[in-house]
Amino acid sequence: GAGVSQSPRYKVTKRGQDVTLRCDPISSHATLYWYQQALGQGPEFLTYFNYEAQPDKSGLPSDRFSAERPEGSISTLTIQRTEQRDSAMYRCASSLDGGGFETQYFGPGTRLLVL
Amino acid sequence: KNEVEQSPQNLTAQEGEFITINCSYSVGISALHWLQQHPGGGIVSLFMLSSGKKKHGRLIATINIQEKHSSLHITASHPRDSAVYICAVSTQGGSEKLVFGKGTKLTVNP
Repeated sequence: GAGVSQSPRYKVTKRGQDVTLRCDPISSHATLYWYQQALGQGPEFLTYFNYEAQPDKSGLPSDRFSAERPEGSISTLTIQRTEQRDSAMYRCASSLDGGGFETQYFGPGTRLLVL
Repeated sequence: KNEVEQSPQNLTAQEGEFITINCSYSVGISALHWLQQHPGGGIVSLFMLSSGKKKHGRLIATINIQEKHSSLHITASHPRDSAVYICAVSTQGGSEKLVFGKGTKLTVNP
């Protein structure tokens, strides 16, 4: 596609519910990143994929958070048993090959509100 | 202490002024990124650099690896430059992750 897309753009859920966020990266991009951004803060790394492999998930805040990219393209981020502190903007980005020298292209984000 | 520190946190300028935003980091890096977050929330990559200086239009980014410091300059600022500017570093050691500063909110008044 022309850019990174994410859905839904906004999600309101009740505490304890599970949510799944979707990221559709630029089609030629091997590497996909997930970030969490609290209001007024910079993004924080959650995890990344190189194709379908997930070499680093050190930023996932708890085992309630998981991410998949089964076919090396679209990715989902699932938060189980949501808590109010999970409320944030969740951003996806992709890059062509990964590595520190690659430009990352960001999606519009999904704003999650847990009531 | 955050690994990436930006200053100032907030900056208000008059149209036409020269703007400087600073970024200091405490970790080894492979590259430093400057990003712009629009008022609507979208994030755009402005620069990626590992040494020296880069220029794009009215934007200039510099980095001093020895001092672990980078600056983003905006010449002839304009109200449309109003945004949050975020510094991020790609850490050494093969990690893919970016470590972000908290951002600098710039407001340029007409």
